Amino acid sequence: SQQGEEDPQALSIQEGENATMNCSYKTSINNLQWYRQNSGRGLVHLILIRSNEREKHSGRLRVTLDTSKKSSSLLITASRAADTASYFCATDLGGGRRALTFGSGTRLQVQP
Amino acid sequence: SAVISQKPSRDICQRGTSLTIQCQVDSQVTMMFWYRQQPGQSLTLIATANQGSEATYESGFVIDKFPISRPNLTFSTLTVSNMSPEDSSIYLCSVDMTGGAPGYGYTFGSGTRLTVV
Repeated sequence: SQQGEEDPQALSIQEGENATMNCSYKTSINNLQWYRQNSGRGLVHLILIRSNEREKHSGRLRVTLDTSKKSSSLLITASRAADTASYFCATDLGGGRRALTFGSGTRLQVQP
Repeated sequence: SAVISQKPSRDICQRGTSLTIQCQVDSQVTMMFWYRQQPGQSLTLIATANQGSEATYESGFVIDKFPISRPNLTFSTLTVSNMSPEDSSIYLCSVDMTGGAPGYGYTFGSGTRLTVV
């Protein structure tokens, strides 16, 4: 079963605007990861935030984690048309299991 | 990070037939993971494949339908057997190279887009 939900399900913005995606999860986590998927292809790892971290940056990406609310957000600043993709949050299954469970995903469309 | 070669990238198959998907990793990995992504949906874990042992399947997935081989530490195959249109999905393999101390993400194959007609 999926770990949680993401919102919005779809987001359309203009180039240069910021995009914010939210992810909720259900169980305790060791870390939370964000991935990007272009046109139904393989996933590309974007950023990982550990459970003891509250915020992390990587280039134009900013991720926050609120373990008390079991939620995370991904902010893409100054978006570009090339950012058009689906974005997924993921956590490990827990109990020592290394496989990932994914959120429902957000489809981002950046209009040039 | 690892590089995974997954093939075929896409196929159109007749119902009742089987398709075997291959993933080759450029380094040795203990665990490989197989996922299914149904149209417009997120990824669902099918099974975890360890070298030298039977794969561990998730609820809703069975070995007869999705047999997995893991002959060595760099290679795995997933077969989709006796296909029906409901099996039309993207299938992805993935590896975790973090050695139990994740600072980096997992690596995914480029996916196999399967259409069953």
